[in-house]
Amino acid sequence: GAGVSQSPRYKVTKRGQDVTLRCDPISSHATLYWYQQALGQGPEFLTYFNYEAQPDKSGLPSDRFSAERPEGSISTLTIQRTEQRDSAMYRCASSLTGSGDTQYFGPGTRLTVL
Amino acid sequence: AQSVTQLGSHVSVSEGALVLLRCNYSSSVPPYLFWYVQYPNQGLQLLLKYTSAATLVKGINGFEAEFKKSETSFHLTKPSAHMSDAAEYFCAVSGDNFNKFYFGSGTKLNVKP
Repeated sequence: GAGVSQSPRYKVTKRGQDVTLRCDPISSHATLYWYQQALGQGPEFLTYFNYEAQPDKSGLPSDRFSAERPEGSISTLTIQRTEQRDSAMYRCASSLTGSGDTQYFGPGTRLTVL
Repeated sequence: AQSVTQLGSHVSVSEGALVLLRCNYSSSVPPYLFWYVQYPNQGLQLLLKYTSAATLVKGINGFEAEFKKSETSFHLTKPSAHMSDAAEYFCAVSGDNFNKFYFGSGTKLNVKP
């Protein structure tokens, strides 16, 4: 597509529910990133994909967080048994080749856990 | 791990005045460095990036940044602020594997008429 898109833009859920966030990167881009951005902070790295491979999951806060990119294009981020501290903006970005290449960010999904 | 420090969470300047937003990083290896801008209710947009070419990097909207290895700094400047520059600015640096990026906590720029 023309840019990175994310859905939903806003998600409100109750504590303990599972949520899945979606990212649709720029179609020619090999690398896809997920970030968590708390209010008043900069984005924090969660994980990234190179096509469908996921070389680095080190930023995922707990095993409740998982991400997939099964066909090397669209990616999902799933948070199981959500907690209030998971409330944040979740941002997806893609880049052509990775390795320091420019990242293009989507508009983000604002998650609120009640 | 890398860390990025942006001095000043809020900076206020008058229209037409110099803009200086500070960024320091921690690393012995010159990484890739970036400045992003975020307008309200929008995603982050790349302003400029340093990738070990010229130390003075020019970006969009009249912004530029100078990489100073000895000071581990990458400060963002613009000679004359416009009202439209009011936004939040983030400095970012790549990690050793160049695929893990570290962002500063951001600086909100306010431009007074």
